[in-house]
Amino acid sequence: AQSVTQLDSHVSVSEGTPVLLRCNYSSSYSPSLFWYVQHPNKGLQLLLKYTSAATLVKGINGFEAEFKKSETSFHLTKPSAHMSDAAEYFCVVSDLGGSYIPTFGRGTSLIVHP
Amino acid sequence: DAEITQSPRHKITETGRQVTLACHQTWNHNNMFWYRQDLGHGLRLIHYSYGVHDTNKGEVSDGYSVSRSNTEDLPLTLESAASSQTSVYFCASNSGTLNTGELFFGEGSRLTVL
Repeated sequence: AQSVTQLDSHVSVSEGTPVLLRCNYSSSYSPSLFWYVQHPNKGLQLLLKYTSAATLVKGINGFEAEFKKSETSFHLTKPSAHMSDAAEYFCVVSDLGGSYIPTFGRGTSLIVHP
Repeated sequence: DAEITQSPRHKITETGRQVTLACHQTWNHNNMFWYRQDLGHGLRLIHYSYGVHDTNKGEVSDGYSVSRSNTEDLPLTLESAASSQTSVYFCASNSGTLNTGELFFGEGSRLTVL
């Protein structure tokens, strides 16, 4: 079985300050982990993915995430927030060797203040 | 370019009516998924398919059905629409091969049941 917990439903930052969106997962197999972003009234776009290669993963728009097996975490970070980063972010786990069905977290809404 | 398209993008219907949401992908992916998105719940899996003539129930399948007669299409049918099925519906696909699991999404279909 697999599950994802996004620890914050809302995160509020000022423009130019760092962003941290937290995600913990559980998985019976070697997981693939993903972060997707959804801007208002839009579909979902892949930000980055971890698939058992390098533990520090770089994505689009300056985002990165680090896979920490010992902590079962895959937190998303960005050094400096931009107004255009305001969106909903979803952490997703998919079991490799299991069902391959992606499971979504409940989402974190990122609010960026001028 | 390969893509995944959903139709209609917006639909208003009445309680008790049958509704079908179409999903068509040109990625030649074996796996297709239907999710619904509701505030505070993230994306929840309704049905999924691993290939032609294969369909499986997800965590919120009651009141929904799917059929897979070819690789490209996975229509979602609400046999008798209920107000609780007012939601945004996303279709997604992936190849399902090892070390991927990345989902490719349609733009979503917003359904309102009055």
